[in-house]
Order: sequence, then structure tokens, then C-alpha cells
Amino acid sequence: QVQLQESGPGLVKPSETLSLTCSVSGASISSYYWSWIRQPPGKGLEWIGYISYTGSTNYSPSLKNRVSISVDRSQTQFSLNLRSVTAADTAVYYCARVRGYDSRGTLQEYFLSWGQGTLVTVSS
Amino acid sequence: DIQMTQSPSSLSASVGARVSIACRASQTIGTYLHWYQQKPGKAPKLLIYSASSLQSGVPSRFSGSGSGTDFTLTINSLQPEDFATYFCQQSYTIPLTFGGGTKVEIK
Repeated sequence: QVQLQESGPGLVKPSETLSLTCSVSGASISSYYWSWIRQPPGKGLEWIGYISYTGSTNYSPSLKNRVSISVDRSQTQFSLNLRSVTAADTAVYYCARVRGYDSRGTLQEYFLSWGQGTLVTVSS
Repeated sequence: DIQMTQSPSSLSASVGARVSIACRASQTIGTYLHWYQQKPGKAPKLLIYSASSLQSGVPSRFSGSGSGTDFTLTINSLQPEDFATYFCQQSYTIPLTFGGGTKVEIK
């Protein structure tokens, strides 16, 4: 049973960097793809990006200039950094495990397991 | 970006009813379409992947259909625990995008 848990500051000041960590248990972090998704209060879901087990990344073009995702295999964690935040970045941030390659070798980019989510508010 | 449009945005239904939720993509996406259920204060949960495959552990009253641009999530015999918001998501191309959600409420 894969379990994910987000951690990080719940309040970030405008123009600063939002940094979150996702701790993974029940699965090898070196074997799967891992993603971040966010949800502004009362709104829909927005995909931020993902990192593969090789360390390659794929980001949403709308956030690409401000975002980075990395993996710390020794700590079985992966992290999100989002720079120069504004109030529009206020959201619940979820980490998730991506399905990855299926038996036919096709990359399936949907989300099998999710963390509980953590609310990050951008405010001075 | 591929836009995903869900309809209706909300609906009211009774326990035992059959409910259908539509999701339309702004361009063809094959069967790269997935459905999630989200309850208040909780993370989304995968229900259906690749348009029609039922995720392990999900009750068989949930089913998905469609391909190309038009997809449907159907819940047969709605149960009290099914009242939630449902989202579709495409994975045909980056950026991965979600529909706006359909809230299913008790009638």
C-alpha cells in the first residue's frame, strides 16, 4: 500500500519560494513517476509537473518558468519548489504517484495514489 | 492545451438512481481519459482509467465509456457514499488537464 504525505510551510509571503516535500512509503521511489497537483480553494485541479525514476521532469508550461521538482532517493522523498509566488498560488497541494509504463510499454499518466494534501496560503 | 469540459457542473439525484456525467475534450484524445472521485476535504481517488477500465477496489456500479472527444462516467444505483465531486483528466498530451468537476448532491 503506497502512502504519500506532504509537508512544508502553510504560509508563504508573496515573491518568495514555496517549498514542499512528499514522503513516500510502501513503494520504491526509484521505480515510479511522481507528481504534484494543486487545487485552489473551491476550484478544480491543476497539474504542476512530474519527475520520473530517471530524474527527468515534465512541467506544466504555465508554471515551467517558476517550478522545479526533484527526488531525494536516500530520504524516499520528492520535492516541489515554486518561485516568486503570488496570491494566485494559494491552493491545496497534493503529491501523487503516476501510473507509469503499462505492460505494453505505453506511458500512462494518471494518478494512482495521492497524499492527503496540504494547504499553502500566499499572504504577507 | 486540451480543454476538458464536464457537464453538468452539478446534479441532484436520489439514492438508487442512475447518474451519467459527461466529459468532452477540445480535441481527440483516444482513450487517454481518466475519472476521479473527490469528497470534501479529501484527496481525489482514481475510479476509471483509460476511459473504461475499472480501478481495482472500485465498486462495479461505476463504469466509463467513450473515445475520441466524448466520454461518460455512469454510476448505477447511486449509493450514499457516492455523493461527491467527480473530475475527468486527459493524458493524451502535456499539460495534463482536468475537467472542472461535477458535484453530485443528494435529492
